[in-house]
Amino acid sequence: KNEVEQSPQNLTAQEGEFITINCSYSVGISALHWLQQHPGGGIVSLFMLSSGKKKHGRLIATINIQEKHSSLHITASHPRDSAVYICAVRRGSQGNLIFGKGTKLSVKP
Amino acid sequence: EPEVTQTPSHQVTQMGQEVILRCVPISNHLYFYWYRQILGQKVEFLVSFYNNEISEKSEIFDDQFSVERPDGSNFTLKIRSTKLEDSAMYFCASSEAPLAGGETQYFGPGTRLLVL
Repeated sequence: KNEVEQSPQNLTAQEGEFITINCSYSVGISALHWLQQHPGGGIVSLFMLSSGKKKHGRLIATINIQEKHSSLHITASHPRDSAVYICAVRRGSQGNLIFGKGTKLSVKP
Repeated sequence: EPEVTQTPSHQVTQMGQEVILRCVPISNHLYFYWYRQILGQKVEFLVSFYNNEISEKSEIFDDQFSVERPDGSNFTLKIRSTKLEDSAMYFCASSEAPLAGGETQYFGPGTRLLVL
């Protein structure tokens, strides 16, 4: 069983739609990361969460430690948001990340 | 804006050959990481490195792998005798401080390794 599960695996949306990507994990964690992987393969860190909620532009990330669940929301989605969004959790303090398989988002104009 | 760079962007090698993947982390960063992503699969942690030694490594990082910071700027991953299953995209990352402190990890663009 994967320690980090994401849903959905694939998501197609129309430009302007509100998008939610979910991440559930089965291990105790010290932090959760959301990452964006561009079609060319490059990876960008979006958020690191250990509790509550963070917002950056049109992106919002929330985490519920008790329920072992996090969500990434994109408001007013745009075709340039098309990418794979990856959830990763950190168990220790050194930076060993356990990655989910990613959610492939395609936003159509 | 400072960025992590990796060379080469692509490498093709024969099974059994040694490869060295190179990374130049962001200059004031002290923590360095290697990850790999086999085509179509999830990203996997390989190793973290701080103060000239390995901090943590995964089960994947066996005796065939080694890391080194040979000078003040480069951070290398060596695979001694490549296998077909080593074919993957290898990402280097760096951070200024331990991730436990809330630091962001910056990823390089990756090296795509193909073992024939």
